[in-house]
Amino acid sequence: EVQLLDSGGGLVQPGGSLRLSCTASGFTFSIYAMSWVRQAPGKGLEWASLISDGGDSTYYADSVKGRFTISRDNSKNTLFLQMNSLRAEDTAVYYCAKIRDVSRWRIDAFDIWGQGTMVTVSS
Amino acid sequence: QSVLTQPPSVSGAPGQRVTISCTGSRSNIGAGYDVQWYQQLPGTAPKLLIYGNSNRPSGVPDRFSGSKSGTSASLAITGLQAEDEADYYCQSYDTSLSGSVFGGGTKLTVL
Repeated sequence: EVQLLDSGGGLVQPGGSLRLSCTASGFTFSIYAMSWVRQAPGKGLEWASLISDGGDSTYYADSVKGRFTISRDNSKNTLFLQMNSLRAEDTAVYYCAKIRDVSRWRIDAFDIWGQGTMVTVSS
Repeated sequence: QSVLTQPPSVSGAPGQRVTISCTGSRSNIGAGYDVQWYQQLPGTAPKLLIYGNSNRPSGVPDRFSGSKSGTSASLAITGLQAEDEADYYCQSYDTSLSGSVFGGGTKLTVL
């Protein structure tokens, strides 16, 4: 079964750091680009970051650029999101998502989603 | 404010047809980038419903269909069922932002 399992969320103070993980199974993780998408409580979806299959290209939304770092370990089928200098407005459920098409990885759909992990930034 | 604009809510009776619009601009939908649609049931992760403007992944009923024209796209749901009650999001790529963008979401209520 194709599956993504998000973990690492929790309560953190403003200015603090947190590292999210996403473990993949049921597909060849190393050939697909991956993304993080977040959803603030009661709000809509917001794309946060994208990483290429090999990890050499990364992209960020302006709202997280310079504070968040996306990375991956293909030997362990795992995607990461290092979040630094966290703010109250970063409070959200964070989903990892697989990009559907290997050749259109910059612009294609998110076809598999993790269950999400909640990040709460509060003092 | 979202880059892609959707109506906050739509509703319909069981068996009816409803449509949800998604309006973009020349830097995303109007630039030729594909539109995707996602369904999010309460308390769950989003699920891909339509990709490439009008293609359904395996397992998605043909009651769901998508279309695109100019700077807009639409999701149509026919034969409305109670289990269709959910939030629906459109998504595309924006060349000015160099990343994916979502609509604000539309809550579908089945009366």
